[in-house]
Amino acid sequence: DTEVTQTPKHLVMGMTNKKSLKCEQHMGHRAMYWYKQKAKKPPELMFVYSYEKLSINESVPSRFSPECPNSSLLNLHLHALQPEDSALYLCASSQGPASYGYTFGSGTRLTVV
Amino acid sequence: GEDVEQSLFLSVREGDSSVINCTYTDSSSTYLYWYKQEPGAGLQLLTYIFSNMDMKQDQRLTVLLNKKDKHLSLRIADTQTGDSAIYFCAESPNTGNQFYFGTGTSLTVIP
Repeated sequence: DTEVTQTPKHLVMGMTNKKSLKCEQHMGHRAMYWYKQKAKKPPELMFVYSYEKLSINESVPSRFSPECPNSSLLNLHLHALQPEDSALYLCASSQGPASYGYTFGSGTRLTVV
Repeated sequence: GEDVEQSLFLSVREGDSSVINCTYTDSSSTYLYWYKQEPGAGLQLLTYIFSNMDMKQDQRLTVLLNKKDKHLSLRIADTQTGDSAIYFCAESPNTGNQFYFGTGTSLTVIP
């Protein structure tokens, strides 16, 4: 298995909802990442988990809450989002430090209404 | 983060070669990458080059690296309509788990 699987592919949520994005990989990668990407812009790093511990939080608002239950799973819990949070949320994993290159999932297209 | 710059748009005719350019700032980067993103999809790793190499060829793709000028390019030979996408270069500094993406180049292939 050489894929990063993200669910759901599309999500529409209201500003008072609570939802979660899920990401799964079975490549034995020990680093996992959440990125946010606006249309026609490069991905922006949100969080990095290394060996299931949060190692980087790029000053992301607390309405985004990451969780890494085990080495294969990464969640992003969403609560009280704003319309400007609408974007493509990409999960990625790498064998170790970023030097080895990332494998990206196909993303969750999030719309906040 | 680091500044990684690309020209925003490139348009070529089918069958011609495409050259996408990228400049970066971190001279300690160990690896440099090219990713392809088709509409509505995630990022697909196309190729990468180690910083001690000048050139890498992989089928229709040729990567050139000029470390002195901090310039990276991706040449796509015999460009096809399926190559239409946004192409991101990315650099990985020597430490940490960071990846810095370029601004992206939107390639349009005209039939």
